[in-house]
Amino acid sequence: EIVLTQSPDTLSLSPGERATLSCRASQSVSSYLAWYQQKGGQAPRLLIYGASNRATGIPARFSGSGSGTDFTLTISSLEPEDCAVYYCQQRNNWPITFGQGTRLEIK
Amino acid sequence: QVQLVESGGGVVQPGRSLRLSCAASRFTFSSYDIHWVRQAPGKGLQWVASISSDDIIKNYADSVKGRFTISRDNSKNTLYLQMNSLRAEDTAVYYCARESDFRFDFWGQGTLVTVSS
Repeated sequence: EIVLTQSPDTLSLSPGERATLSCRASQSVSSYLAWYQQKGGQAPRLLIYGASNRATGIPARFSGSGSGTDFTLTISSLEPEDCAVYYCQQRNNWPITFGQGTRLEIK
Repeated sequence: QVQLVESGGGVVQPGRSLRLSCAASRFTFSSYDIHWVRQAPGKGLQWVASISSDDIIKNYADSVKGRFTISRDNSKNTLYLQMNSLRAEDTAVYYCARESDFRFDFWGQGTLVTVSS
């Protein structure tokens, strides 16, 4: 099973700041890495797929990078509504696995 | 807009069974692989099971293999999850999610399953 480790567990930043979230895989997942945003009480929402492609309707301030084992989700200028938990997910091997999540707090 | 609506959750005693449903609309259901993903209270996301568009290939997480069965009825645009021998650790919100090109692009709102005596 591929283990995805996200860091940090919690990130607290102010509006307008840049957020950098990391996801590291225990073995290569090529570019089959997606990022999801989950706000309180809601279903997850797809943000990034194929490591670096923004999903439909996702603002340009969200970007993804990486391949192999190291991936990054960057939010260039935080908005209050970006307060959420962010998960990475790999789709390269069975079983499909998710990272443990990074909680992003907006000060 | 694509819709996925889960139902069938509730409170069930350990060892009993429950069947979840996921009704799909506004897309060609028979063309997509569909997954179940769960989230225990206050915890992260865990993939549970998947089924191919043609109902041929099914995959399960080790934690549910032999107890849960995923199925679909393409004529009714509905996905199912039969859950047997339920345990306390199966308590979670269960989401169905559509897969498109290796990404889960649409999710339902989830249905809560509580396993408790």
